[in-house]
Amino acid sequence: DTAVSQTPKYLVTQMGNDKSIKCEQNLGHDTMYWYKQDSKKFLKIMFSYNNKELIINETVPNRFSPKSPDKAHLNLHINSLELGDSAVYFCASRPAGVTGNEQFFGPGTRLTVL
Amino acid sequence: DQQVKQNSPSLSVQEGRISILNCDYTNSMFDYFLWYKKYPAEGPTFLISISSIKDKNEDGRFTVFLNKSAKHLSLHIVPSQPGDSAVYFCAAIRGATNKLIFGTGTLLAVQP
Repeated sequence: DTAVSQTPKYLVTQMGNDKSIKCEQNLGHDTMYWYKQDSKKFLKIMFSYNNKELIINETVPNRFSPKSPDKAHLNLHINSLELGDSAVYFCASRPAGVTGNEQFFGPGTRLTVL
Repeated sequence: DQQVKQNSPSLSVQEGRISILNCDYTNSMFDYFLWYKKYPAEGPTFLISISSIKDKNEDGRFTVFLNKSAKHLSLHIVPSQPGDSAVYFCAAIRGATNKLIFGTGTLLAVQP
């Protein structure tokens, strides 16, 4: 009964490759997010989608392209991977119209670019 | 521009004692503040939140205090338990932006 799931959990790849990370939530939430936690442990928002529509895009290189086929899924595709893309990527979701702004996070995908 | 700051990277407390984790912010437009707990190799888990119109919110062993004039909030855990050992992130949001801004986290170690 996993709420927010991500695949894969670990991803090791070479510079220049293209890779995707998938996220699914079974909570019926309307809004989904991608966050990046870098080596200094900063956790920063990258993108947010509400009902398949992009609502936040935080100065992220256009090598990163989120795609939301439906409101339960938000995938992240990264082109031409660079060393600096190595990080842990977290997906999250949030229900609509809820006070407290609680977001539910997935377990993370550790991406290592060699 | 770090709008949410946790100046203590780590904290060690004895089991049964109080743990106090601190957080400072710079943006007076934030209207909700949240605390998340994170174990290694897992995603952050929501712990407790507080609206900017309140100064205290309590949930079991966890209490969050907000001092708007000082732009400071704190999380109190009483009594601390070894299972509380984790990284605690403070976060803030301005509702209209839909963006959660995180601090850098404090690693809490509760010693048995």
